[in-house]
Amino acid sequence: DTEVTQTPKHLVMGMTNKKSLKCEQHMGHRAMYWYKQKAKKPPELMFVYSYEKLSINESVPSRFSPECPNSSLLNLHLHALQPEDSALYLCASSQAYLQGDTQYFGPGTRLTVL
Amino acid sequence: GIQVEQSPPDLILQEGANSTLRCNFSDSVNNLQWFHQNPWGQLINLFYIPSGTKQNGRLSATTVATERYSLLYISSSQTTDSGVYFCAVSSETYKYIFGTGTRLKVLA
Repeated sequence: DTEVTQTPKHLVMGMTNKKSLKCEQHMGHRAMYWYKQKAKKPPELMFVYSYEKLSINESVPSRFSPECPNSSLLNLHLHALQPEDSALYLCASSQAYLQGDTQYFGPGTRLTVL
Repeated sequence: GIQVEQSPPDLILQEGANSTLRCNFSDSVNNLQWFHQNPWGQLINLFYIPSGTKQNGRLSATTVATERYSLLYISSSQTTDSGVYFCAVSSETYKYIFGTGTRLKVLA
């Protein structure tokens, strides 16, 4: 099974709301990633967790708060977002090896901030 | 950081045609993947290919790491091949950089 699942598929929120995106994988992968993709642009790395510890934060604003409760789950908590944060949010996982580190992506959450 | 450029940016083909997509990167890499992003946004793995040549059905890929480029070949294209093709590279553990993408449209 090479599946990464993400919920919800679509999310509309106001600038004062708090919401969370969820990502799950059962491939035994120990690295998990959040990417942000704006329309007609490539995905941009936001965060990486390796063995449940935050390894990379690409200078993401604090209104995005990642969490890795266990090796299979990755959350992205959203608070006080801006309309320009509207985008497709993609989760990925990989085995956490430097070589042969194939990433597998979930279907994404399409976020609209009003 | 590494710069990743893909060409061409846009490509329109008739069904049955062949095509070559290119990915140039500015520094040596440890990992390189090719993805197809379908119209619904799903990124689908095509190849993990930091060096050498691989084939999978109508698709094949070649990476010449010493010259810092990778090629994706699509033969006998089908309308379902439409979408955006990305290469993604990393030289530091976990830090993937995506290329600019090639938007492919295959006409019936």
